[in-house]
Amino acid sequence: GAGVSQSPRYKVTKRGQDVALRCDPISGHVSLYWYRQALGQGPEFLTYFNYEAQQDKSGLPNDRFSAERPEGSISTLTIQRTEQRDSAMYRCASSPTPTGASNSPLHFGNGTRLTVT
Amino acid sequence: AQKITQTQPGMFVQEKEAVTLDCTYDTSDPSYGLFWYKQPSSGEMIFLIYQGSYDQQNATEGRYSLNFQKARKSANLVISASQLGDSAMYFCAIFVKTSYDKVIFGPGTSLSVIP
Repeated sequence: GAGVSQSPRYKVTKRGQDVALRCDPISGHVSLYWYRQALGQGPEFLTYFNYEAQQDKSGLPNDRFSAERPEGSISTLTIQRTEQRDSAMYRCASSPTPTGASNSPLHFGNGTRLTVT
Repeated sequence: AQKITQTQPGMFVQEKEAVTLDCTYDTSDPSYGLFWYKQPSSGEMIFLIYQGSYDQQNATEGRYSLNFQKARKSANLVISASQLGDSAMYFCAIFVKTSYDKVIFGPGTSLSVIP
Protein backbone atom coordinates (compact mmCIF):
# COMPACT_ATOMS: atom_id res chain seq x y z
CA GLY A 1 0.00 0.00 0.00
CA ALA A 2 0.95 3.66 0.06
CA GLY A 3 3.67 4.87 2.34
CA VAL A 4 3.65 7.84 4.70
CA SER A 5 2.52 10.89 2.76
CA GLN A 6 3.43 14.44 3.71
CA SER A 7 2.18 17.65 2.18
CA PRO A 8 3.22 20.04 0.94
CA ARG A 9 6.66 18.83 -0.17
CA TYR A 10 7.95 22.40 -0.15
CA LYS A 11 6.60 25.41 1.67
CA VAL A 12 7.97 28.92 1.43
CA THR A 13 6.40 31.43 3.79
CA LYS A 14 7.10 34.88 5.07
CA ARG A 15 8.17 35.52 8.61
CA GLY A 16 5.18 35.95 10.86
CA GLN A 17 2.81 33.74 8.88
CA ASP A 18 1.27 30.55 10.22
CA VAL A 19 1.89 27.23 8.45
CA ALA A 20 0.23 23.84 8.70
CA LEU A 21 2.10 20.70 7.70
CA ARG A 22 0.14 17.55 7.04
CA CYS A 23 1.03 13.91 7.58
CA ASP A 24 -1.02 10.97 6.32
CA PRO A 25 0.43 7.81 7.91
CA ILE A 26 0.26 4.29 6.57
CA SER A 27 -3.30 3.02 7.00
CA GLY A 28 -3.79 1.36 10.36
CA HIS A 29 -0.57 2.62 11.88
CA VAL A 30 -0.98 3.44 15.53
CA SER A 31 2.08 5.51 16.34
CA LEU A 32 2.84 8.80 14.57
CA TYR A 33 5.95 10.92 15.07
CA TRP A 34 7.04 14.39 14.04
CA TYR A 35 10.76 15.15 13.68
CA ARG A 36 12.72 18.15 12.47
CA GLN A 37 15.95 17.54 10.58
CA ALA A 38 18.63 20.06 9.72
CA LEU A 39 20.96 19.30 6.83
CA GLY A 40 23.61 16.78 7.82
CA GLN A 41 22.07 16.19 11.25
CA GLY A 42 19.95 13.51 12.85
CA PRO A 43 16.17 13.77 13.17
CA GLU A 44 15.28 15.89 16.19
CA PHE A 45 12.23 14.63 18.08
CA LEU A 46 9.30 17.04 18.29
CA THR A 47 6.24 15.08 19.39
CA TYR A 48 4.44 11.80 18.96
CA PHE A 49 1.01 10.20 19.17
CA ASN A 50 -0.35 6.76 19.92
CA TYR A 51 -3.75 6.69 18.26
CA GLU A 52 -5.19 10.19 18.88
CA ALA A 53 -3.39 10.70 22.19
CA GLN A 54 -0.37 12.96 22.21
CA GLN A 55 2.03 10.90 24.32
CA ASP A 56 4.97 13.28 24.42
CA LYS A 57 5.39 16.85 23.21
CA SER A 58 8.59 17.60 25.05
CA GLY A 59 10.49 18.24 21.83
CA LEU A 60 8.31 21.10 20.60
CA PRO A 61 10.65 24.12 20.73
CA ASN A 62 8.13 26.62 22.08
CA ASP A 63 4.44 27.38 22.24
CA ARG A 64 4.33 28.48 18.60
CA PHE A 65 4.49 24.79 17.69
CA SER A 66 1.52 22.48 18.13
CA ALA A 67 0.33 19.19 16.71
CA GLU A 68 -2.90 17.26 16.60
CA ARG A 69 -4.20 13.92 15.41
CA PRO A 70 -7.91 14.17 16.19
CA GLU A 71 -9.12 10.88 14.69
CA GLY A 72 -6.00 8.84 15.19
CA SER A 73 -5.01 8.99 11.54
CA ILE A 74 -3.96 12.21 9.76
CA SER A 75 -1.87 14.62 11.79
CA THR A 76 -1.16 18.31 11.42
CA LEU A 77 1.86 20.16 12.74
CA THR A 78 1.16 23.88 13.03
CA ILE A 79 3.74 26.59 13.43
CA GLN A 80 2.38 30.01 14.32
CA ARG A 81 4.15 33.30 13.66
CA THR A 82 6.97 31.59 11.80
CA GLU A 83 10.56 32.73 12.25
CA GLN A 84 13.58 32.19 10.02
CA ARG A 85 15.04 29.74 12.53
CA ASP A 86 12.03 27.47 11.88
CA SER A 87 13.39 26.73 8.40
CA ALA A 88 14.12 23.00 8.20
CA MET A 89 12.92 19.65 6.89
CA TYR A 90 9.96 18.40 8.91
CA ARG A 91 9.52 14.64 8.80
CA CYS A 92 6.64 12.46 9.84
CA ALA A 93 6.97 8.77 10.65
CA SER A 94 4.50 6.07 11.62
CA SER A 95 4.59 2.59 13.09
CA PRO A 96 1.98 -0.19 13.25
CA THR A 97 2.32 -0.57 17.01
CA PRO A 98 2.68 1.79 19.95
CA THR A 99 6.32 2.60 20.60
CA GLY A 100 7.84 -0.02 22.82
CA ALA A 101 5.20 -2.66 22.14
CA SER A 102 7.31 -4.42 19.55
CA ASN A 103 10.33 -4.08 17.34
CA SER A 104 8.39 -2.42 14.53
CA PRO A 105 10.53 0.29 12.94
CA LEU A 106 9.33 3.73 12.02
CA HIS A 107 8.31 4.32 8.40
CA PHE A 108 9.24 7.81 7.30
CA GLY A 109 7.62 10.18 4.86
CA ASN A 110 9.66 12.26 2.42
CA GLY A 111 9.26 15.35 4.56
CA THR A 112 8.18 18.95 4.08
CA ARG A 113 10.96 21.43 3.38
CA LEU A 114 9.96 24.65 5.12
CA THR A 115 11.67 27.91 4.22
CA VAL A 116 10.83 31.06 6.14
CA THR A 117 11.92 34.25 4.40
CA ALA B 1 16.33 10.37 29.37
CA GLN B 2 17.82 8.31 26.62
CA LYS B 3 20.75 9.52 24.57
CA ILE B 4 22.61 8.31 21.47
CA THR B 5 26.21 9.19 20.61
CA GLN B 6 27.80 8.65 17.22
CA THR B 7 31.39 9.85 17.47
CA GLN B 8 32.37 9.52 13.81
CA PRO B 9 31.04 12.45 11.80
CA GLY B 10 32.56 11.07 8.59
CA MET B 11 34.02 7.75 7.50
CA PHE B 12 35.67 6.48 4.33
CA VAL B 13 35.90 2.87 3.22
CA GLN B 14 37.29 1.16 0.15
CA GLU B 15 34.78 -0.65 -2.00
CA LYS B 16 34.43 -4.35 -1.03
CA GLU B 17 35.95 -3.74 2.40
CA ALA B 18 34.05 -3.98 5.69
CA VAL B 19 33.35 -0.92 7.83
CA THR B 20 32.15 -0.41 11.40
CA LEU B 21 30.03 2.58 12.38
CA ASP B 22 30.03 3.34 16.10
CA CYS B 23 26.99 3.93 18.29
CA THR B 24 26.92 4.25 22.05
CA TYR B 25 23.81 4.91 24.08
CA ASP B 26 22.78 5.91 27.53
CA THR B 27 19.70 4.58 29.26
CA SER B 28 18.92 3.42 32.75
CA ASP B 29 16.12 1.16 31.58
CA PRO B 30 16.97 -2.53 31.10
CA SER B 31 14.44 -3.05 28.30
CA TYR B 32 15.05 -1.10 25.11
CA GLY B 33 15.44 -1.42 21.39
CA LEU B 34 17.97 -0.06 18.96
CA PHE B 35 17.53 0.74 15.26
CA TRP B 36 19.89 1.68 12.48
CA TYR B 37 18.68 3.74 9.53
CA LYS B 38 20.34 4.76 6.27
CA GLN B 39 19.69 8.11 4.61
CA PRO B 40 21.11 8.44 1.09
CA SER B 41 21.45 11.81 -0.61
CA SER B 42 17.89 11.43 -1.91
CA GLY B 43 16.73 12.05 1.67
CA GLU B 44 14.61 8.98 2.32
CA MET B 45 15.05 7.15 5.63
CA ILE B 46 15.62 3.42 5.17
CA PHE B 47 15.35 1.00 8.09
CA LEU B 48 18.32 -1.40 8.19
CA ILE B 49 18.38 -3.48 11.35
CA TYR B 50 16.94 -3.85 14.86
CA GLN B 51 18.44 -5.14 18.13
CA GLY B 52 16.50 -5.71 21.33
CA SER B 53 18.26 -5.41 24.66
CA TYR B 54 17.28 -8.96 25.63
CA ASP B 55 18.08 -10.56 22.31
CA GLN B 56 20.57 -13.34 22.86
CA GLN B 57 22.25 -13.01 19.49
CA ASN B 58 23.55 -10.07 17.52
CA ALA B 59 21.16 -9.03 14.78
CA THR B 60 22.05 -9.64 11.15
CA GLU B 61 20.34 -8.59 7.91
CA GLY B 62 22.19 -9.46 4.75
CA ARG B 63 25.42 -7.44 4.66
CA TYR B 64 24.45 -5.59 7.86
CA SER B 65 25.20 -6.89 11.32
CA LEU B 66 25.15 -5.39 14.77
CA ASN B 67 28.05 -5.72 17.19
CA PHE B 68 25.96 -5.41 20.35
CA GLN B 69 27.94 -5.05 23.58
CA LYS B 70 25.34 -4.48 26.28
CA ALA B 71 27.76 -3.94 29.16
CA ARG B 72 29.54 -1.23 27.19
CA LYS B 73 26.23 0.17 25.94
CA SER B 74 27.37 0.06 22.35
CA ALA B 75 25.59 -1.13 19.20
CA ASN B 76 27.98 -0.73 16.32
CA LEU B 77 26.81 -1.36 12.76
CA VAL B 78 29.06 -3.51 10.60
CA ILE B 79 28.66 -3.32 6.83
CA SER B 80 30.46 -6.09 5.00
CA ALA B 81 31.65 -5.95 1.37
CA SER B 82 30.92 -2.22 0.99
CA GLN B 83 29.30 -1.07 -2.23
CA LEU B 84 29.20 2.37 -3.81
CA GLY B 85 25.50 2.54 -3.02
CA ASP B 86 26.31 2.34 0.68
CA SER B 87 27.49 5.95 0.60
CA ALA B 88 24.98 7.73 2.84
CA MET B 89 24.28 9.08 6.32
CA TYR B 90 23.71 6.40 8.94
CA PHE B 91 21.68 7.00 12.09
CA CYS B 92 21.44 4.98 15.27
CA ALA B 93 18.23 5.29 17.32
CA ILE B 94 16.93 4.02 20.66
CA PHE B 95 13.59 3.57 22.38
CA VAL B 96 12.66 2.29 25.80
CA LYS B 97 10.18 -0.57 25.93
CA THR B 98 8.73 -0.26 29.39
CA SER B 99 7.09 3.09 28.98
CA TYR B 100 5.54 5.13 26.22
CA ASP B 101 8.89 6.62 25.42
CA LYS B 102 9.97 8.23 22.21
CA VAL B 103 12.43 7.08 19.56
CA ILE B 104 15.57 9.21 19.79
CA PHE B 105 18.11 9.48 16.99
CA GLY B 106 21.83 10.11 17.10
CA PRO B 107 23.65 12.80 15.09
CA GLY B 108 24.66 10.36 12.36
CA THR B 109 27.78 9.25 10.53
CA SER B 110 28.45 10.11 6.91
CA LEU B 111 29.92 7.12 5.06
CA SER B 112 31.69 7.49 1.75
CA VAL B 113 32.61 4.38 -0.23
CA ILE B 114 35.67 4.86 -2.46
CA PRO B 115 35.92 2.87 -5.70
